[in-house]
Amino acid sequence: DAGVIQSPRHEVTEMGQEVTLRCKPISGHNSLFWYRQTMMRGLELLIYFNNNVPIDDSGMPEDRFSAKMPNASFSTLKIQPSEPRDSAVYFCASSFQASTEAFFGQGTRLTVV
Amino acid sequence: GQSLEQPSEVTAVEGAIVQINCTYQTSGFYGLSWYQQHDGGAPTFLSYNALDGLEETGRFSSFLSRSDSYGYLLLQELQMKDSASYFCAVKGYQKVTFGTGTKLQVIP
Repeated sequence: DAGVIQSPRHEVTEMGQEVTLRCKPISGHNSLFWYRQTMMRGLELLIYFNNNVPIDDSGMPEDRFSAKMPNASFSTLKIQPSEPRDSAVYFCASSFQASTEAFFGQGTRLTVV
Repeated sequence: GQSLEQPSEVTAVEGAIVQINCTYQTSGFYGLSWYQQHDGGAPTFLSYNALDGLEETGRFSSFLSRSDSYGYLLLQELQMKDSASYFCAVKGYQKVTFGTGTKLQVIP
């Protein structure tokens, strides 16, 4: 398996624009996580899906953030409108439900100018 | 809620042993994990402890004391490539919360 695949790897956008981050989890994994990492706040869990259903979105910072998982092999994280403070590395991770190990994608480095 | 504390930075000499501590507070606890992250890379899983005691995997060992809400990662025979950030993470009810990470610098 190729592991968790995220796209794009880098994104630079202007404030106010819509940004969509994409994630393909490892085949067979039924849990998917979106994390945001910054120097100031570390690694924060934004939202967690189990069997394509959002279980915990308490980490989503604002209504500008939304996430979907239309099927077991694809998820998106959307920011609309984007702001400079959203600049961070966004990681997607997946795991098998009963597993203790989460596999991370390489991340998307988002810069909002 | 869940919170974790770990030192922000540690420096150690190549070939030595280093211990990275993690204390946590959580409303539900299933286990403690450790992840390694090199600069510019993604976190990668190192170990998981659900029960008290020491788990050993090669040069790395992880310890948990549930009664003390405390764990540590022990790295032996340090190598330059071990320079990275190390995160503890608590698996609570339905979610995993990460600590802020410990940046380990291995010096010659």
